[in-house]
Formats: sequence, structure tokens, C-alpha cells
Amino acid sequence: GNSVTQMEGPVTLSEEAFLTINCTYTATGYPSLFWYVQYPGEGLQLLLKATKADDKGSNKGFEATYRKETTSFHLEKGSVQVSDSAVYFCALKDNQGGKLIFGQGTELSVKP
Amino acid sequence: SQTIHQWPATLVQPVGSPLSLECTVEGTSNPNLYWYRQAAGRGLQLLFYSVGIGQISSEVPQNLSASRPQDRQFILSSKKLLLSDSGFYLCAWTGQGTGELFFGEGSRLTVL
Repeated sequence: GNSVTQMEGPVTLSEEAFLTINCTYTATGYPSLFWYVQYPGEGLQLLLKATKADDKGSNKGFEATYRKETTSFHLEKGSVQVSDSAVYFCALKDNQGGKLIFGQGTELSVKP
Repeated sequence: SQTIHQWPATLVQPVGSPLSLECTVEGTSNPNLYWYRQAAGRGLQLLFYSVGIGQISSEVPQNLSASRPQDRQFILSSKKLLLSDSGFYLCAWTGQGTGELFFGEGSRLTVL
């Protein structure tokens, strides 16, 4: 079945460091791919998305490119801030029923 | 604009007691509705999803059940709670044909 695998956390970085959170997926067909962010004590909110191969989603300085050849959707940011500390979830949209399948989440902690 | 609310926000219940978490969506019609659970230190697990009134799909066998008595109302229930039911429960919705999930604020359940 469809699945999403993320790099394990926690990831601890200093402010202004470069961030990469790896995400790979297994799916039939051409799923849409998403990154969601969960700030402490809150629900999830959409960070960015890409709906087809080679699309790049971007928001708040974060980027991710839909790579069909490597079945990946890695999240990157050139310079992280303390306020980026959160749990990040990679997800794909299952084309059957439209449900989203999430990775296990990666906790990011940014230190000043 | 569309909004989603779930309650209660926090709940502490003894083992063996019943549970009812409620979720409502405003500003849209015929949404797809979802219940996810986020156990401590783990990712997001899809519990139930619904594409219409009275239509419930269960993703994992468990001690919980879901109902959708109205188009924009989704209820998560249990007759007898187990310790393992503790976690952070998130309700979410999507529009028809879209991929983005909109999450509620979450309900933190502690079973003692």
C-alpha cells in the first residue's frame, strides 16, 4: 500500500543553519505531496504542497521539490529561525478516497 | 470562510469510562471528515474517515468508533476507554477533490 517515510528526529540546529528533512514515499500512480507543520500545543497546518512531478512547493522560506525518479519530497530551508521549531509531517494524498497518509513526523528544535 | 472546531480540548478519564469527542465544520458542505490520533512521540495515525453522512471507514481495528449524524458533524466515541487510548486526537476536513487537510485544534485525552 501507499506509505511515507521521514527521517527520524529530533533534529537540533543552530539559528541560521541549513535544514533538510528527508521524505520518501511509496505510491501507485501520481499522488499529491504535502508538508504539514505542527507548532507546540497546536493542530497541524499546511506548509506547502506539490501536485505533479518536478513541481516545487514553497512557503515561509521552506521549499520541497516533487522528485518522481527518486520518489522523494525533501523539505529544505536555507536559514532556520527559532520560530521554526515544530514537528514537520510529510504526507501524500491517496487517490482512492482522498485520504492523506502521513509520515511519522520529524521534530525540529532550533537553538539561538 | 470555513472553520473547524473540536471539543473538549482536554479530557482526563478513568479506564473503562465512555468517550465522546465532537467535531464540527462550518462554511462548507459535504466535506470529507477525518479523525487522526497522535500518540506521544509518534506520528499521525488515521483512525476513521467519512465521505458523507452515515458513511464511515475504519482504518485500524480498535476500541473506538465514529459517527457522522449530520453533514458537518463528526463524533469519535468509545464505550470503555483503555489506557492505550491516551493521545492527541485531531479532527480534519477536506473539500471534494482537493488535497489540503484543515485541522481542528486537537483534543488531548489522558486515560488513567
